Amino acid sequence: EDQVTQSPEALRLQEGESSSLNCSYTVSGLRGLFWYRQDPGKGPEFLFTLYSAGEEKEKERLKATLTKKESFLHITAPKPEDSATYLCAVLRANQAGTALIFGKGTTLSVSS
Amino acid sequence: EAGVAQSPRYKIIEKRQSVAFWCNPISGHATLYWYQQILGQGPKLLIQFQNNGVVDDSQLPKDRFSAERLKGVDSTLKIQPAKLEDSAVYLCASSLWHPQETQYFGPGTRLLVL
Repeated sequence: EDQVTQSPEALRLQEGESSSLNCSYTVSGLRGLFWYRQDPGKGPEFLFTLYSAGEEKEKERLKATLTKKESFLHITAPKPEDSATYLCAVLRANQAGTALIFGKGTTLSVSS
Repeated sequence: EAGVAQSPRYKIIEKRQSVAFWCNPISGHATLYWYQQILGQGPKLLIQFQNNGVVDDSQLPKDRFSAERLKGVDSTLKIQPAKLEDSAVYLCASSLWHPQETQYFGPGTRLLVL
């Protein structure tokens, strides 16, 4: 069964304290891995797409990496405005179609 | 560029009532998705349209949920009759054509069934 598992469920950091969020997946027919940010009361906001193992993408304080079984979202020197839920999703293709399968997310809180 | 629009933003109904949600995708986006996000969970795909045709509705509870995209632009999602477990945020997203391309999400409609 296609599955996406994110850890930890919640993470509290002090401003400037770097850390990583994990997304592990088991999916047949992987077509890509996506990271989204979701603020309370809003829809998910696109961050990155990764297509192959070894690929890396960066945006401001965020860096996403991909291996054959998992992806990491590294947050360097976070600020309070980075507080949000970070969602990982894999794009799988099978007989039913091509669809994003989301994890439950990691809720990040950054305090000053 | 305008984003994905959804209405209403909030809806409270009694169980066994019906409710409808509306979505207007980003201009030029052929593919439209409806997702259900239960509190504490990630979004789950309900149905995917490409223009006005259904591509994937394998996760849609067809005994009570229906969706249409008649002119290949706007879409409506309906629940009839609603159950308590339908309380969730209903998100609409769109992409240019293929799901491999970035999906852009609207703000969602928060539904509470009492």
